Amino acid sequence: KNEVEQSPQNLTAQEGEFITINCSYSVGISALHWLQQHPGGGIVSLFMLSSGKKKHGRLIATINIQEKHSSLHITASHPRDSAVYICAVITDKLIFGTGTRLQVFP
Amino acid sequence: GAVVSQHPSWVICKSGTSVKIECRSLDFQATTMFWYRQFPKQSLMLMATSNEGSKATYEQGVEKDKFLINHASLTLSTLTVTSAHPEDSSFYICSAPDRGSMSSPQHFGDGTRLSIL
Repeated sequence: KNEVEQSPQNLTAQEGEFITINCSYSVGISALHWLQQHPGGGIVSLFMLSSGKKKHGRLIATINIQEKHSSLHITASHPRDSAVYICAVITDKLIFGTGTRLQVFP
Repeated sequence: GAVVSQHPSWVICKSGTSVKIECRSLDFQATTMFWYRQFPKQSLMLMATSNEGSKATYEQGVEKDKFLINHASLTLSTLTVTSAHPEDSSFYICSAPDRGSMSSPQHFGDGTRLSIL
């Protein structure tokens, strides 16, 4: 069993829909990253959080340390949001989830 | 914001060639650099951790003589895939934590797609 599990693995949405991606982990962490990987491979860190909730534009990330669970929400999704979203937990190194492939259609 | 520049972005070469990949921190000191490997449709797997001025720490199953890591300065870490073979074809990417601490934001290179013929 992976230490970091994401769901769903694949997600298809119509433009404008509200998207939720979930991440559960089984190890003790100091914080968690939500990353976005575009088709070319480059990775951008969207959020790093250790408690509560963070918001940046249409993106919202939450974490519940007690339940070892985090969610990434995208409001009013857009085709340019199409990418792989990866949850990575911070121990003494980064441990990555398997990613969620999101496709948003116009 | 802080940037990690990774070169080259794409390499195609013959079997037996050694390939060097560079990751350079542009506006911060990267005392630690992580090197990852990613196969198609799979997640990133940590290969090794390099620290400036000391030997790299390799993850279990990663051959240190195959994947040579050098971190000679606070702004440059290199990964050399020695005598590359087709099974080494993969996407390699580096990241460095801001301020050298895991509790600070990670900055990723854009990755290197390596294809060995």
